[in-house]
Amino acid sequence: QQQVKQSPQSLIVQKGGISIINCAYENTAFDYFPWYQQFPGKGPALLIAIRPDVSEKKEGRFTISFNKSAKQFSLHIMDSQPGDSATYFCAASIQGGSEKLVFGKGTKLTVNP
Amino acid sequence: EAGVAQSPRYKIIEKRQSVAFWCNPISGHATLYWYQQILGQGPKLLIQFQNNGVVDDSQLPKDRFSAERLKGVDSTLKIQPAKLEDSAVYLCASLAFRGAAGELFFGEGSRLTVL
Repeated sequence: QQQVKQSPQSLIVQKGGISIINCAYENTAFDYFPWYQQFPGKGPALLIAIRPDVSEKKEGRFTISFNKSAKQFSLHIMDSQPGDSATYFCAASIQGGSEKLVFGKGTKLTVNP
Repeated sequence: EAGVAQSPRYKIIEKRQSVAFWCNPISGHATLYWYQQILGQGPKLLIQFQNNGVVDDSQLPKDRFSAERLKGVDSTLKIQPAKLEDSAVYLCASLAFRGAAGELFFGEGSRLTVL
């Protein structure tokens, strides 16, 4: 049972464009929603995270938008750069922390120069 | 600060053979995880340790997978006998309690190919 559904599976964006990756969940007990970035041959690394008490969190060019009623959250990458080319995973957990994260299937982002 | 170390990075075996992976977490991290990442999918939790005790192994296929964390530091994950569907990257992660949510730090993984 996939608890976090992520789309699209792959995404190609031109340099300077906006990349948008979406995730949806069913379990209303989830209360922590991080995004991880993974480069080829490397392990995932925490990029940005949000809790359901806020609707948006921004860190530099990366923004999470959270819609609690729709049970959806998304990652927006502004001014996308070739160095952003990686696989992005959304995740969710209960108990408000990084323990026992459930990951989406990932989105492979390619930013063309 | 040294990251999570894993070895070997790559392993190719035939089905029904055995394999073992090793992980050394970041110093001082009491909580350690093994995840399985099949190609094209997100990481799936296999087992969670707190010091040298198992917290959650509900998703570990115990008929063929085993893991231990002696002395609460290094950990090994063993597969015996391996099946074709075990081909995946095995990621080790340790948990840092930074802020309220903590942060998982992953190693670079051990890629297993079962022929």
